[in-house]
Amino acid sequence: AQSVTQLDSHVSVSEGTPVLLRCNYSSSYSPSLFWYVQHPNKGLQLLLKYTSAATLVKGINGFEAEFKKSETSFHLTKPSAHMSDAAEYFCVVRLSGGGADGLTFGKGTHLIIQP
Amino acid sequence: NAGVTQTPKFQVLKTGQSMTLQCAQDMNHNSMYWYRQDPGMGLRLIYYSASEGTTDKGEVPNGYNVSRLNKREFSLRLESAAPSQTSVYFCASIMGYSNQPQHFGDGTRLSIL
Repeated sequence: AQSVTQLDSHVSVSEGTPVLLRCNYSSSYSPSLFWYVQHPNKGLQLLLKYTSAATLVKGINGFEAEFKKSETSFHLTKPSAHMSDAAEYFCVVRLSGGGADGLTFGKGTHLIIQP
Repeated sequence: NAGVTQTPKFQVLKTGQSMTLQCAQDMNHNSMYWYRQDPGMGLRLIYYSASEGTTDKGEVPNGYNVSRLNKREFSLRLESAAPSQTSVYFCASIMGYSNQPQHFGDGTRLSIL
């Protein structure tokens, strides 16, 4: 069985400071890992994905994430927060070659940007 | 570029009424999904369809039915709506058994009074 834990339900940072959103996973197989962002009243938009290539993955809007197998982590970072980054963020695990039900979502982290 | 289209965007129902949420994708994806999103719960899978002609239950299927009408369309039906089904519903699609990400619609906000 696989699971995803987003360690913080809410994160608050000041504009211009770094962002760290934490995600740990458990999976018996080689996972694919994704981060999605959801702005208010919108659907989920892909930020970045890890699929067993480079362990440091760069995404849209200046976000990046590092896959650390030894720590079973896939934390999302950004060097400098912008007001437009305020949103809900979801970490998602998918089994490599898994079937249609192989996706597991974290419960989300709400990112608040203070002016 | 349409992607995944959901209709309607908003709906208010009375308890006991029925309705169908529509979802269509134009990316020739094999697999389609219905999720519900509730505060603090993340996304929970209701039903999915791995391919045209097949459907399977997800984590929270009770009170719902689905139809994979063709490769493009996957509908979700509430036969007798209950207040506990007040939620935001998302449809998603993906190209089969791959490591590609899901594509999501913008959601249907459903209130049951």
